[in-house]
Amino acid sequence: GQNIDQPTEMTATEGAIVQINCTYQTSGFNGLFWYQQHAGEAPTFLSYNVLDGLEEKGRFSSFLSRSKGYSYLLLKELQMKDSASYLCAVRDGDYKLSFGAGTTVTVRA
Amino acid sequence: ETGVTQTPRHLVMGMTNKKSLKCEQHLGHNAMYWYKQSAKKPLELMFVYSLEERVENNSVPSRFSPECPNSSHLFLHLHTLQPEDSALYLCASSQEGTSGANVLTFGAGSRLTVL
Repeated sequence: GQNIDQPTEMTATEGAIVQINCTYQTSGFNGLFWYQQHAGEAPTFLSYNVLDGLEEKGRFSSFLSRSKGYSYLLLKELQMKDSASYLCAVRDGDYKLSFGAGTTVTVRA
Repeated sequence: ETGVTQTPRHLVMGMTNKKSLKCEQHLGHNAMYWYKQSAKKPLELMFVYSLEERVENNSVPSRFSPECPNSSHLFLHLHTLQPEDSALYLCASSQEGTSGANVLTFGAGSRLTVL
C-alpha cells in the first residue's frame, strides 16, 4: 500500500515561518498535493507539485524531491487564520490519490 | 450555489436506521468521490464515480451503498451502521481525463454519529 507520513502537530508564533514535511512511499508517482482544512470546513487546494523544485504562491510555497520521496509546505508570515490542518496527498502510478493523516498547525499570538 | 454542497451537515442515527447523505456539485466535473475522515487518520477513499460509472470500491462494507444518478449528484445510503462508522464523510469532485493536476474540490462534509 501507500505510505505517507507527516507530523501530527506543529505550533508557531504569528509572523513566523513554519515548514511542514511530508515523506511518501508509493507505487509510482503522478503528483503531490497540499490541502488546507479548517475545523468543520472542507479541505481546500493549496498547491500541486509534479516536477522537482519549489512552487511559490504568495505566503505559501511547496517543494518536491521525487528521488527522496519528500515534500514540504512552507508557510511564511504566519497569521492567526493559518491555524488549520494541512494534508499531504500523493497520486500514485495508477492515478489513485492517497492522503497523509494531516498536520495540525496552531498559530499563537 | 457554487462548488460542492453536502446535506445534511450533521446526522445522528441508531444502528437500525436507514438514512442517506447527499452531495451535489455545480462545477461541471465528470468524477465524484466519497471519502471517510476519522480523527487523526488519513482520508480513506470509499467510492469513485467517473462519468456516472463506479470505478472504485475500496472494500467498503455493504452497509454503505453509493448511488450516482447523474454527473452532478452523488448519494451514500446508510443501513445498519456500527458505532465505529461515526466519522466525517466528505464528498469531492474533479475533472478527469484532462492534462494537469485534476484537483479535487471537496464539500464541507456530513458529520455522522452512530449511537
